[in-house]
Amino acid sequence: DIQMTQSPSTLSASVGDRVTITCRASQTIRSWLAWYQQKPGKAPKVLINQASRLESGVPSRFSGSGSGTEFTLTISSLQPDDFATYYCLQYSSYKMYTFGQGTKLEIK
Amino acid sequence: QVQLVQSGAEVRKPGASVKVSCKASGYRFTGFYLHWLRQAPGQGLEWMGRINPNHGDTTSAQKFQGRVTMTRDTSITTAYMELSRLRFDDTAVYYCARVADHGEYIQNWGQGSLITVSS
Repeated sequence: DIQMTQSPSTLSASVGDRVTITCRASQTIRSWLAWYQQKPGKAPKVLINQASRLESGVPSRFSGSGSGTEFTLTISSLQPDDFATYYCLQYSSYKMYTFGQGTKLEIK
Repeated sequence: QVQLVQSGAEVRKPGASVKVSCKASGYRFTGFYLHWLRQAPGQGLEWMGRINPNHGDTTSAQKFQGRVTMTRDTSITTAYMELSRLRFDDTAVYYCARVADHGEYIQNWGQGSLITVSS
């Protein structure tokens, strides 16, 4: 099975900061990676698919990059609504999906 | 619009089984894979498996093989996930979710069903 290692597990930042979250796959997943935002008590919301494609309606301050085994989610200028937990999901091995462990983005 | 409406919260004893339903609407039910995922309290997301609503074939994570059964009833556009031999650490919110119109990533989520395993 493909393992996803996400870092950091916790990130403290301020409004206006630029932040980056990383996911590393245990083997190549080409570009079959999605990023999700989850707020307490809510289902996750997809932000990015196929590593770098912004979902409709998602603000342009979110961007994704990478291919193969290394991927990043960048938020260019943090807004108050962005403080949440973020997950990556690999769907390359489309019969077996795997999430990263999550990154909790906290207000500094 | 795509809607996935799940059954309500349940409490079960260890060793029992639970069956969660997921009523789909707003799209062609047989056209898109449905996935089941869960999230234990304060923990991350865990993929459990998926079902092809057209043919009924399923794939599940190795961790759940032998304990999870995914089915569907196309006549009422509803999918089901049954988890047997429940343990305390199966306490979690269980989600059904649909893949995107164009792509195999998970896009639409149900509201979640809290399953509590307690003696």
